[in-house]
Order: sequence, then structure tokens, then C-alpha cells
Amino acid sequence: GNSVTQMEGPVTLSEEAFLTINCTYTATGYPSLFWYVQYPGEGLQLLLKATKADDKGSNKGFEATYRKETTSFHLEKGSVQVSDSAVYFCALKMISNYQLIWGAGTKLIIKP
Amino acid sequence: DGGITQSPKYLFRKEGQNVTLSCEQNLNHDAMYWYRQDPGQGLRLIYYSQIVNDFQKGDIAEGYSVSREKKESFPLTVTSAQKNPTAFYLCASSIQGAGEQYFGPGTRLTVT
Repeated sequence: GNSVTQMEGPVTLSEEAFLTINCTYTATGYPSLFWYVQYPGEGLQLLLKATKADDKGSNKGFEATYRKETTSFHLEKGSVQVSDSAVYFCALKMISNYQLIWGAGTKLIIKP
Repeated sequence: DGGITQSPKYLFRKEGQNVTLSCEQNLNHDAMYWYRQDPGQGLRLIYYSQIVNDFQKGDIAEGYSVSREKKESFPLTVTSAQKNPTAFYLCASSIQGAGEQYFGPGTRLTVT
């Protein structure tokens, strides 16, 4: 079946460090891919998305490129801030299905 | 301001009691979802509804019930049959068929 695998957390970085959170997927077909972010005690917010191969989603300094050849959608940011501390979820959606398939989430901790 | 509201933010109940969690949206979305989130884990789908007066079970529907009598509202009842009801519950909505889901702030339910 379809699935999403994220790197385990927590990921701990110093402010201004470079961030990568890995996400790989398994899907029969061509899914749309998403990154959502959850700040402490809150609901999730859509961070960025990509709907086809080689698309790059970007928002708030974060980027992710839809790589069909490696079935990946890694999240990157060039210089993280303390305010980026949150849990990040990778997800996929097939056209034929109403549901999102979620990764387990990766907790990011940024130290000043 | 358009958005999703969930109330209350914190809810405490005794074991054996049914409890209903509220979810209201004014985004004019057809689709609504209920998720359960346990500490350090991803999201698990409880129920979803693509249209008024229709809903489908998600991955963990046992011990839960929903109704969708109005487009704006999708209340979730946690029944006494749910063996481990203590969790963080998230409601979301979307345009039908879209992967972009909009989340409420969540309700943290504690059952003792």
C-alpha cells in the first residue's frame, strides 16, 4: 500500500544551521506531496506542497523538491530560527483517494 | 476571519461517560475529517465526511461516532466503548478531493 517514511526525531540544531528532514514515499501512481507543520499545542498548518515530479514547493524559507526517481520529498531550510521549533509531517495524496497518508512526524528543536 | 474552531481546548471526563467534541468551520468546505494524535505519534484518521449527511470510517473508528447534519459542523462523540480515549483530537476540513487540509487548534481529552 501507499506509505510515507520520515526520519526519526528529534532533530536538534543550533540557530542558523542548515536543515534537512528526509521524507520518502511508496505509492502506486503519482501522488501529490505535502509538508505540514505543527507548533506546540496547536493544530497543523500546510507548509508547502508539490503536485508533480520536479516541482519545488517553497514557503517561509523552507523548500522541498518532488523527486520521482528517488521517491523523496526532503524538507530543507538554509538557516533555521528558534521559532522553527515544531513537529513536521510529510504526507501524500493520491488522486483516486480522499485520504492523506501521513508520516509519523519529525520533531525539530532549534537551540539559540 | 475564516477558519475552523474546536471546543473546548481541554476536556476532562470520567471513564464510562460519552463525550462530544465540537468542530465548526466557516470555510465553505465540503469535506471534514477527525484525527487522533497520541504523544510522539503521527495522525490517525477516525472518520471523514465528503458531503452533508454522509461519512465514512477511517482507520480507527471503533468506539467513536460522528454526524454531519450541517456543512459547517462535524461533531465527534467518544463513546465509553473506546478503550483508550485520552488523546489530542484534531478536526480538519478541505475542498472536496484536495490534499490541502485546514486544521482546528485541537481538543485535548483526558479520561480518568
